[in-house]
Amino acid sequence: ILNVEQSPQSLHVQEGDSTNFTCSFPSSNFYALHWYRWETAKSPEALFVMTLNGDEKKKGRISATLNTKEGYSYLYIKGSQPEDSATYLCASNSGYSTLTFGKGTMLLVSP
Amino acid sequence: DAGVTQSPTHLIKTRGQHVTLRCSPISGHKSVSWYQQVLGQGPQFIFQYYEKEERGRGNFPDRFSARQFPNYSSELNVNALLLGDSALYLCASSLVGGHEQYFGPGTRLTVT
Repeated sequence: ILNVEQSPQSLHVQEGDSTNFTCSFPSSNFYALHWYRWETAKSPEALFVMTLNGDEKKKGRISATLNTKEGYSYLYIKGSQPEDSATYLCASNSGYSTLTFGKGTMLLVSP
Repeated sequence: DAGVTQSPTHLIKTRGQHVTLRCSPISGHKSVSWYQQVLGQGPQFIFQYYEKEERGRGNFPDRFSARQFPNYSSELNVNALLLGDSALYLCASSLVGGHEQYFGPGTRLTVT
């Protein structure tokens, strides 16, 4: 069984601040690490899927890194905007498509 | 292209009743997974179906069952509802062998 942990639980930043979140996961039997962005009343939106140690992915102001040997991933948001306010979920899977999720980091960006 | 759709959006049931939730995957996706999300927790895996067969099951009681139809849509059934079954139920679809899952907006079930 995979246990995925995310920190912090919640974060409140000002517009323009840069921020980062952490996701830790057991490194044994690792297959892929997923980041999702989830706005209230909407579907979770896939941000990144990473599989290889050292992977770095970027989408606009959001980027993520992966360390499979030590079992962690960082998600970075540069110059946060109010529209970035959401819950950010990470999930890991070990082969099949079933995902084990962390509890998420709730981000609030104030204007 | 339509994303993953789920119905109904919201549902209120009484303890002991039965409920059926429905999911239509993205066109071309043959695998459907179900997750339960309770407030303050991350989504928890319930079932995965591919080609009408159960391919994985999470740690849920036998009151929970599911099936997948020839058009790859899926139903999640819960019998003898308990107050603790109140949650958001998410459906996700993926390509065969793919590991990127696409989620629907969920069905909010309230058991009173």
